[in-house]
Amino acid sequence: TQLLEQSPQFLSIQEGENLTVYCNSSSVFSSLQWYRQEPGEGPVLLVTVVTGGEVKKLKRLTFQFGDARKDSSLHITAAQPGDTGLYLCAGGRQGGSEKLVFGKGTKLTVNP
Amino acid sequence: GAGVSQSPSNKVTEKGKDVELRCDPISGHTALYWYRQSLGQGLEFLIYFQGNSAPDKSGLPSDRFSAERTGGSVSTLTIQRTQQEDSAVYLCASSPLGGTPNYGYTFGSGTRLTVV
Repeated sequence: TQLLEQSPQFLSIQEGENLTVYCNSSSVFSSLQWYRQEPGEGPVLLVTVVTGGEVKKLKRLTFQFGDARKDSSLHITAAQPGDTGLYLCAGGRQGGSEKLVFGKGTKLTVNP
Repeated sequence: GAGVSQSPSNKVTEKGKDVELRCDPISGHTALYWYRQSLGQGLEFLIYFQGNSAPDKSGLPSDRFSAERTGGSVSTLTIQRTQQEDSAVYLCASSPLGGTPNYGYTFGSGTRLTVV
């Protein structure tokens, strides 16, 4: 059972465009994390959100945690080729084990 | 070291052979995790170590898989009698405290295992 569904699975856009990636679940999470992974490397943590409705901004990236803490979104403004990579969301279960549950990821390609 | 170190970075082995994958976490990180990433799949949890507590082995796919962590630091993941379906990237991560999912993981670059 895939607890976290990410969409879209693949996204190819031109430099300068905006995009949003979604991470959805029927389960409640105590925290939601976003990672970015480049080929041949491990995922790198971008942000952690822990409060329902929380919005965090990291330069051109905006992360939002849903009010019910079941979903999250990542919005990128004016995408650049350097944003290319696999974006993974990961949820921490409230009162559960400490291990994170990962979505399958969104593979983003930004073309110059 | 400054980051999580994994070795080897690539391993090609024949079906039926045993392999050992090594992970050296960030110094002072008490939590250590092993995940497996197959093509088109997300990260699949394998095993979790937290301090001196008994490891959470709930993600190990079969009894051919085992892992240990010596002295609360270096960890070794062993796969016995490898099968072609074991081919994947094996990722190790560490975290400062564990005990809460709010701390992010620091991942190593992974070991790409190919079973031929």
